[in-house]
Amino acid sequence: AQSVTQLDSHVSVSEGTPVLLRCNYSSSYSPSLFWYVQHPNKGLQLLLKYTSAATLVKGINGFEAEFKKSETSFHLTKPSAHMSDAAEYFCVVSDRGAAGNKLTFGGGTRVLVKP
Amino acid sequence: GAVVSQHPSWVICKSGTSVKIECRSLDFQATTMFWYRQFPKQSLMLMATSNEGSKATYEQGVEKDKFLINHASLTLSTLTVTSAHPEDSSFYICSGTSGGNDEQFFGPGTRLTVL
Repeated sequence: AQSVTQLDSHVSVSEGTPVLLRCNYSSSYSPSLFWYVQHPNKGLQLLLKYTSAATLVKGINGFEAEFKKSETSFHLTKPSAHMSDAAEYFCVVSDRGAAGNKLTFGGGTRVLVKP
Repeated sequence: GAVVSQHPSWVICKSGTSVKIECRSLDFQATTMFWYRQFPKQSLMLMATSNEGSKATYEQGVEKDKFLINHASLTLSTLTVTSAHPEDSSFYICSGTSGGNDEQFFGPGTRLTVL
């Protein structure tokens, strides 16, 4: 079975300061890991994904995440927050095994960016 | 990235009526489509997985007779909420994958309000 825990339900940062969104996962197989962003009443947009290549993954809009197998973590970071980064962020795991590409979502982290 | 559309984007209906939501993959063949439900301020919960030409596989606790899923072609899946009740009000999101690729491409979502 797979599961995802996003350690913070809300994160508040000032514009121009770094953002850190924490994610821990458990998986029985070699996982694929994703970060998605969702703006209000919108669908999901893929920020980045890890699929067993480089452990440091760079995504869109300046985001990046590091896969740490020993810590079962996949934290998302951005050096400098922008007002447009205010949204809900989901860490997602996909077991490329018996789960048949089924995604398991974390509970989400709502990011507030203060001017 | 691949594009998935949903129609309608929002719908309001009376209690007891049925509502059909369409999910289309516009520029790829979606061999597998997924339907999710998202309640306000919550994460996405997988409802069912459908493969083209096969019966959908429903997650535990999801009533298959209430949420009818049809995946008749490689570009279209429909979700019909039968005899809708206010507790069915939610944001419904579909996604599709192609072949063995575990990346899912998400639609923009459909907001259902049952009065």
